[in-house]
Amino acid sequence: RKEVEQDPGPFNVPEGATVAFNCTYSNSASQSFFWYRQDCRKEPKLLMSVYSSGNEDGRFTAQLNRASQYISLLIRDSKLSDSATYLCVVNRRGGADGLTFGKGTHLIIQP
Amino acid sequence: GAVVSQHPSWVICKSGTSVKIECRSLDFQATTMFWYRQFPKQSLMLMATSNEGSKATYEQGVEKDKFLINHASLTLSTLTVTSAHPEDSSFYICSARSGSLGGETQYFGPGTRLLVL
Repeated sequence: RKEVEQDPGPFNVPEGATVAFNCTYSNSASQSFFWYRQDCRKEPKLLMSVYSSGNEDGRFTAQLNRASQYISLLIRDSKLSDSATYLCVVNRRGGADGLTFGKGTHLIIQP
Repeated sequence: GAVVSQHPSWVICKSGTSVKIECRSLDFQATTMFWYRQFPKQSLMLMATSNEGSKATYEQGVEKDKFLINHASLTLSTLTVTSAHPEDSSFYICSARSGSLGGETQYFGPGTRLLVL
């Protein structure tokens, strides 16, 4: 079983719609969780950290369910510029360890 | 702030040559640097963790004698792909972490595309 699993998509979504991505991780000892965004042929950029209490940053909301080892990302009022690959990322031992990336979910926002 | 640069941004080389990639933290001191690679349509995979002044820790399956890592200062880490072969063609990305900047955030460089002919 892969450490971090995501639906690769692509998700084709009309502009203005709400879209949700999910991710599961296998290592119950994982300590930190993130969503990154990667544009074509570019490095990943941190979108937001994910906390058990849930957190929101503008149009983006992230949730973590430790019991189910499940992470979600919700994007409201999607913009054309949201088109990218969204990477679910887990850090096994806090900051001391490298990051484990999912393969990403490809999102295409259509005008 | 928290800018990480990589050089070169892309390189094409002949099979058998060695390629050195530099990763620099421009405005902070990186106590730890990480090296990842990404093959087409695959996830980023951690290759090694490098702490300043000590030997790198390699992930399982990554040959330490083929991928030489030097982290000689708090702002520079280098990855040398020795005797590169076509299967080493990939997107190599470094990241840097500094506790002084807060938390465990890793700041990524722009990546280096390596094509081995």
